[in-house]
Amino acid sequence: SAVISQKPSRDICQRGTSLTIQCQVDSQVTMMFWYRQQPGQSLTLIATANQGSEATYESGFVIDKFPISRPNLTFSTLTVSNMSPEDSSIYLCSVWGLAEGNEQFFGPGTRLTVL
Amino acid sequence: GENVEQHPSTLSVQEGDSAVIKCTYSDSASNYFPWYKQELGKRPQLIIDIRSNVGEKKDQRIAVTLNKTAKHFSLHITETQPEDSAVYFCAATDRGSTLGRLYFGRGTQLTVWP
Repeated sequence: SAVISQKPSRDICQRGTSLTIQCQVDSQVTMMFWYRQQPGQSLTLIATANQGSEATYESGFVIDKFPISRPNLTFSTLTVSNMSPEDSSIYLCSVWGLAEGNEQFFGPGTRLTVL
Repeated sequence: GENVEQHPSTLSVQEGDSAVIKCTYSDSASNYFPWYKQELGKRPQLIIDIRSNVGEKKDQRIAVTLNKTAKHFSLHITETQPEDSAVYFCAATDRGSTLGRLYFGRGTQLTVWP
């Protein structure tokens, strides 16, 4: 299994500001995934973060809006920049477990409200 | 890329009845199909998964079936209980792919009435 923590767990921010979300994993993993879950919706992949390379963004998400850092194999950050109320969502990081055939685990999420 | 469709979007059943949620996928390369349960305010958690070399898998009251030819898979919950009430997501991926990402369905809100 994988133990994932995220900070902050929730935040209320003013429009135009930025928030950086941290994701810490208890083991070294190659890929870390950042998802957005808007209220009442499914999980939408924002980007995949590999250590030592640029993050790979999904269609509709750009680096200027969601810059990602991956300084080592256990940590990543996602920044939500120049926020608007439409960015109000839950942001989750996830990783694959290390054991053969293991599942994808999710962090507890960061609930963001933009006023 | 992969496209996963999930039905129904909402499902209400009486306690003790069975619930079935169905998903279809488009990419024949997909070989791993997990089901996640998400309770209100919590993270998604895996409840069962199935790989393409297996047609059915069961874990107590929960079972998943896979039809590779038709590209669909289903979640079956028997003897439902109020604590089964949650949102359920199906997903699909090719575990051999370097992308490693999951493609999710839209989710099913299951409500079990006592």
